Amino acid sequence: SAVISQKPSRDICQRGTSLTIQCQVDSQVTMMFWYRQQPGQSLTLIATANQGSEATYESGFVIDKFPISRPNLTFSTLTVSNMSPEDSSIYLCSVGPGFNYGYTFGSGTRLTVV
Amino acid sequence: EDQVTQSPEALRLQEGESSSLNCSYTVSGLRGLFWYRQDPGKGPEFLFTLYSAGEEKEKERLKATLTKKESFLHITAPKPEDSATYLCAGEGEGDKLIFGTGTRLQVFP
Repeated sequence: SAVISQKPSRDICQRGTSLTIQCQVDSQVTMMFWYRQQPGQSLTLIATANQGSEATYESGFVIDKFPISRPNLTFSTLTVSNMSPEDSSIYLCSVGPGFNYGYTFGSGTRLTVV
Repeated sequence: EDQVTQSPEALRLQEGESSSLNCSYTVSGLRGLFWYRQDPGKGPEFLFTLYSAGEEKEKERLKATLTKKESFLHITAPKPEDSATYLCAGEGEGDKLIFGTGTRLQVFP
Protein backbone atom coordinates (compact mmCIF):
# COMPACT_ATOMS: atom_id res chain seq x y z
CA SER A 1 0.00 0.00 0.00
CA ALA A 2 1.02 3.64 -0.40
CA VAL A 3 2.88 5.34 2.44
CA ILE A 4 1.86 8.90 3.30
CA SER A 5 3.99 11.38 5.18
CA GLN A 6 1.89 14.16 6.67
CA LYS A 7 3.17 17.20 8.48
CA PRO A 8 3.03 18.92 10.82
CA SER A 9 1.71 16.29 13.21
CA ARG A 10 0.31 18.98 15.47
CA ASP A 11 0.24 22.73 15.86
CA ILE A 12 -1.22 25.41 18.06
CA CYS A 13 -2.15 28.54 16.13
CA GLN A 14 -3.50 31.98 16.87
CA ARG A 15 -6.92 32.86 15.55
CA GLY A 16 -6.87 34.80 12.31
CA THR A 17 -3.73 33.09 11.04
CA SER A 18 -3.34 30.32 8.45
CA LEU A 19 -1.73 26.89 8.55
CA THR A 20 -0.59 24.80 5.61
CA ILE A 21 -0.59 21.02 5.96
CA GLN A 22 1.51 18.90 3.64
CA CYS A 23 1.09 15.33 2.42
CA GLN A 24 3.76 13.45 0.53
CA VAL A 25 3.01 10.04 -0.99
CA ASP A 26 5.67 7.48 -1.86
CA SER A 27 4.02 6.65 -5.20
CA GLN A 28 2.10 8.47 -7.89
CA VAL A 29 -1.62 8.67 -7.24
CA THR A 30 -4.44 10.21 -9.24
CA MET A 31 -6.67 11.40 -6.44
CA MET A 32 -5.90 12.70 -2.99
CA PHE A 33 -8.55 13.37 -0.38
CA TRP A 34 -8.62 15.74 2.57
CA TYR A 35 -10.72 14.98 5.66
CA ARG A 36 -11.54 16.70 8.91
CA GLN A 37 -12.16 14.81 12.14
CA GLN A 38 -13.67 16.96 14.84
CA PRO A 39 -13.59 15.76 18.45
CA GLY A 40 -16.07 12.92 18.93
CA GLN A 41 -17.20 13.13 15.31
CA SER A 42 -16.74 11.04 12.23
CA LEU A 43 -14.32 11.84 9.43
CA THR A 44 -15.83 14.35 7.02
CA LEU A 45 -14.55 14.78 3.47
CA ILE A 46 -13.42 18.33 2.77
CA ALA A 47 -12.33 18.03 -0.85
CA THR A 48 -10.89 15.80 -3.54
CA ALA A 49 -7.70 16.93 -5.25
CA ASN A 50 -6.72 15.75 -8.73
CA GLN A 51 -3.42 16.76 -10.24
CA GLY A 52 -3.84 19.34 -12.96
CA SER A 53 -7.32 20.46 -12.03
CA GLU A 54 -9.02 22.44 -9.31
CA ALA A 55 -10.05 20.59 -6.19
CA THR A 56 -13.67 19.57 -5.78
CA TYR A 57 -15.15 20.73 -2.47
CA GLU A 58 -17.92 19.09 -0.49
CA SER A 59 -20.95 20.94 0.72
CA GLY A 60 -20.06 23.23 3.60
CA PHE A 61 -16.44 23.69 2.57
CA VAL A 62 -15.18 26.51 0.35
CA ILE A 63 -11.95 27.18 -1.47
CA ASP A 64 -11.34 30.54 0.23
CA LYS A 65 -11.28 28.83 3.61
CA PHE A 66 -9.52 25.60 2.60
CA PRO A 67 -7.36 26.24 -0.47
CA ILE A 68 -5.71 23.11 -1.82
CA SER A 69 -2.71 22.68 -4.07
CA ARG A 70 -1.82 19.57 -6.06
CA PRO A 71 1.35 20.39 -8.01
CA ASN A 72 2.22 16.79 -8.91
CA LEU A 73 1.09 13.19 -8.49
CA THR A 74 2.83 12.65 -5.14
CA PHE A 75 2.16 15.84 -3.18
CA SER A 76 -0.68 18.02 -1.93
CA THR A 77 -1.23 20.78 0.59
CA LEU A 78 -4.31 21.95 2.47
CA THR A 79 -4.36 25.43 3.97
CA VAL A 80 -6.72 26.32 6.78
CA SER A 81 -7.20 30.07 6.40
CA ASN A 82 -8.23 32.80 8.82
CA MET A 83 -8.56 30.25 11.59
CA SER A 84 -11.03 30.37 14.45
CA PRO A 85 -11.33 28.02 17.46
CA GLU A 86 -14.05 26.12 15.54
CA ASP A 87 -11.32 24.96 13.13
CA SER A 88 -9.66 22.98 15.91
CA SER A 89 -9.72 19.44 14.55
CA ILE A 90 -7.63 16.65 13.19
CA TYR A 91 -6.98 17.00 9.45
CA LEU A 92 -6.10 13.92 7.42
CA CYS A 93 -5.10 13.26 3.85
CA SER A 94 -5.87 10.02 2.06
CA VAL A 95 -5.19 8.24 -1.21
CA GLY A 96 -6.74 5.26 -2.90
CA PRO A 97 -8.47 3.01 -3.28
CA GLY A 98 -5.89 0.33 -3.74
CA PHE A 99 -6.43 -3.30 -4.44
CA ASN A 100 -6.63 -5.19 -1.14
CA TYR A 101 -5.78 -2.18 1.00
CA GLY A 102 -8.61 0.30 0.54
CA TYR A 103 -7.89 3.93 1.15
CA THR A 104 -4.65 4.82 2.94
CA PHE A 105 -4.57 7.67 5.44
CA GLY A 106 -1.84 9.91 6.70
CA SER A 107 -1.18 10.10 10.42
CA GLY A 108 -3.12 13.34 10.73
CA THR A 109 -2.48 16.92 11.84
CA ARG A 110 -3.95 17.88 15.20
CA LEU A 111 -4.74 21.58 15.01
CA THR A 112 -5.63 23.71 18.02
CA VAL A 113 -6.68 27.30 17.44
CA VAL A 114 -6.45 29.65 20.43
CA GLU B 1 -29.04 11.43 2.29
CA ASP B 2 -26.19 8.96 2.63
CA GLN B 3 -25.61 7.92 6.21
CA VAL B 4 -23.56 5.44 8.22
CA THR B 5 -24.41 4.70 11.85
CA GLN B 6 -22.28 2.67 14.23
CA SER B 7 -23.23 1.07 17.52
CA PRO B 8 -22.43 0.89 20.30
CA GLU B 9 -20.49 4.13 20.75
CA ALA B 10 -18.27 2.46 23.32
CA LEU B 11 -17.70 -1.13 24.35
CA ARG B 12 -15.75 -2.56 27.25
CA LEU B 13 -14.82 -6.21 27.10
CA GLN B 14 -12.95 -8.59 29.31
CA GLU B 15 -10.05 -10.25 27.56
CA GLY B 16 -11.42 -13.32 25.77
CA GLU B 17 -15.02 -12.03 25.75
CA SER B 18 -16.22 -12.12 22.15
CA SER B 19 -18.60 -9.49 20.79
CA SER B 20 -19.80 -7.72 17.65
CA LEU B 21 -19.80 -4.13 16.42
CA ASN B 22 -22.62 -2.94 14.18
CA CYS B 23 -22.56 -0.62 11.18
CA SER B 24 -25.87 0.32 9.57
CA TYR B 25 -25.68 2.14 6.26
CA THR B 26 -27.80 3.98 3.76
CA VAL B 27 -25.46 4.78 0.88
CA SER B 28 -26.67 5.28 -2.67
CA GLY B 29 -24.91 3.04 -5.14
CA LEU B 30 -22.74 1.43 -2.47
CA ARG B 31 -19.47 0.37 -4.07
CA GLY B 32 -17.80 -0.96 -0.97
CA LEU B 33 -18.05 -1.09 2.83
CA PHE B 34 -14.80 -0.41 4.65
CA TRP B 35 -13.65 -1.16 8.18
CA TYR B 36 -10.77 0.72 9.74
CA ARG B 37 -8.99 0.69 13.07
CA GLN B 38 -7.83 4.00 14.55
CA ASP B 39 -5.45 4.29 17.47
CA PRO B 40 -5.12 7.58 19.40
CA GLY B 41 -3.02 10.12 17.54
CA LYS B 42 -2.89 8.06 14.36
CA GLY B 43 -4.71 7.90 11.07
CA PRO B 44 -7.18 5.11 10.30
CA GLU B 45 -5.60 1.76 9.44
CA PHE B 46 -7.32 -0.35 6.80
CA LEU B 47 -8.86 -3.65 7.90
CA PHE B 48 -11.39 -4.89 5.33
CA THR B 49 -13.41 -4.02 2.27
CA LEU B 50 -16.68 -5.83 1.59
CA TYR B 51 -18.38 -5.49 -1.77
CA SER B 52 -21.54 -7.59 -1.77
CA ALA B 53 -24.14 -8.95 0.62
CA GLY B 54 -23.10 -12.28 2.08
CA GLU B 55 -19.41 -11.56 1.80
CA GLU B 56 -17.19 -12.30 4.79
CA LYS B 57 -13.54 -11.51 5.46
CA GLU B 58 -11.29 -12.53 8.33
CA LYS B 59 -8.04 -11.32 9.81
CA GLU B 60 -6.71 -12.80 13.02
CA ARG B 61 -9.42 -12.27 15.66
CA LEU B 62 -11.58 -10.10 13.42
CA LYS B 63 -14.29 -11.11 10.98
CA ALA B 64 -16.38 -8.69 8.94
CA THR B 65 -19.71 -9.55 7.37
CA LEU B 66 -22.07 -7.62 5.11
CA THR B 67 -25.81 -7.62 4.46
CA LYS B 68 -27.83 -5.25 2.31
CA LYS B 69 -28.39 -2.90 5.25
CA GLU B 70 -25.61 -3.45 7.74
CA SER B 71 -22.18 -4.80 8.44
CA PHE B 72 -20.81 -6.48 11.52
CA LEU B 73 -17.30 -6.66 12.86
CA HIS B 74 -17.02 -9.73 15.04
CA ILE B 75 -14.18 -9.84 17.54
CA THR B 76 -13.34 -13.31 18.83
CA ALA B 77 -11.44 -13.71 22.10
CA PRO B 78 -10.14 -10.13 22.07
CA LYS B 79 -6.86 -9.10 23.63
CA PRO B 80 -5.92 -5.75 25.20
CA GLU B 81 -4.02 -4.82 22.05
CA ASP B 82 -7.32 -4.86 20.16
CA SER B 83 -8.33 -1.74 22.09
CA ALA B 84 -8.92 1.04 19.55
CA THR B 85 -11.68 2.92 17.78
CA TYR B 86 -13.20 0.95 14.91
CA LEU B 87 -14.58 2.95 12.02
CA CYS B 88 -16.97 1.87 9.32
CA ALA B 89 -17.33 3.72 6.01
CA GLY B 90 -19.47 3.29 2.92
CA GLU B 91 -18.07 4.22 -0.46
CA GLY B 92 -20.71 5.89 -2.56
CA GLU B 93 -20.68 7.58 -5.90
CA GLY B 94 -17.61 9.59 -6.86
CA ASP B 95 -15.24 7.56 -4.67
CA LYS B 96 -16.53 9.31 -1.56
CA LEU B 97 -16.27 7.64 1.82
CA ILE B 98 -19.06 8.30 4.32
CA PHE B 99 -17.82 7.46 7.80
CA GLY B 100 -19.68 6.48 10.94
CA THR B 101 -18.65 7.99 14.27
CA GLY B 102 -16.92 4.80 15.34
CA THR B 103 -17.03 2.34 18.21
CA ARG B 104 -14.45 2.87 20.94
CA LEU B 105 -13.39 -0.57 22.12
CA GLN B 106 -11.57 -1.21 25.39
CA VAL B 107 -10.36 -4.69 26.22
CA PHE B 108 -9.05 -5.12 29.73
CA PRO B 109 -7.11 -8.05 31.17
